[in-house]
Amino acid sequence: AQRVTQPEKLLSVFKGAPVELKCNYSYSGSPELFWYVQYSRQRLQLLLRHISRESIKGFTADLNKGETSFHLKKPFAQEEDSAMYYCALNGNRDDKIIFGKGTRLHILP
Amino acid sequence: DAGVTQSPTHLIKTRGQQVTLRCSPKSGHDTVSWYQQALGQGPQFIFQYYEEEERQRGNFPDRFSGHQFPNYSSELNVNALLLGDSALYLCASSLAWQAAYEQYFGPGTRLTVT
Repeated sequence: AQRVTQPEKLLSVFKGAPVELKCNYSYSGSPELFWYVQYSRQRLQLLLRHISRESIKGFTADLNKGETSFHLKKPFAQEEDSAMYYCALNGNRDDKIIFGKGTRLHILP
Repeated sequence: DAGVTQSPTHLIKTRGQQVTLRCSPKSGHDTVSWYQQALGQGPQFIFQYYEEEERQRGNFPDRFSGHQFPNYSSELNVNALLLGDSALYLCASSLAWQAAYEQYFGPGTRLTVT
């Protein structure tokens, strides 16, 4: 069965420190993976997708098929990074996107 | 462009009743997906509509049904409401050929079943 696991409900990081939000997935084929973000009082929005290999707002995520992980990283946290982050999987490329439970990132001043 | 809009914002219903939620997609989009987000959980895919037909469906009972109109707007209907249906219902729109890659979410409808 397809599954996305985000082991941390809450992650508190000091401003300027590195950030790593963990995401592990369960899927036997070649997955499509995404990170979504929801800032306070804003809508859920796509942050980045693994297929684009892009860096958005300083965040990057590398797909590690051996470890079935897609961790989100940023070298230096900023206060505006405080938000809810969801990892998501499109396993069968059928648009039945599966979301993790989310991790709340709190950047401490 | 107001983006994806949903109505109503909040709704309170009684167990056993029926409810209809509405979604207008972002201008130019032709595909609408619905998600249920329970408290403390990530969004869970309900179904997706394209060309006025249900294209994909998640693991939800038949009590959950939908419709898409010629102008691409969509409705989500839930019959015989249960307490467990209390959640935030999100609508997302996209172009069919890039639904997974570029979907835009609405603000959601908060449904409370008492």
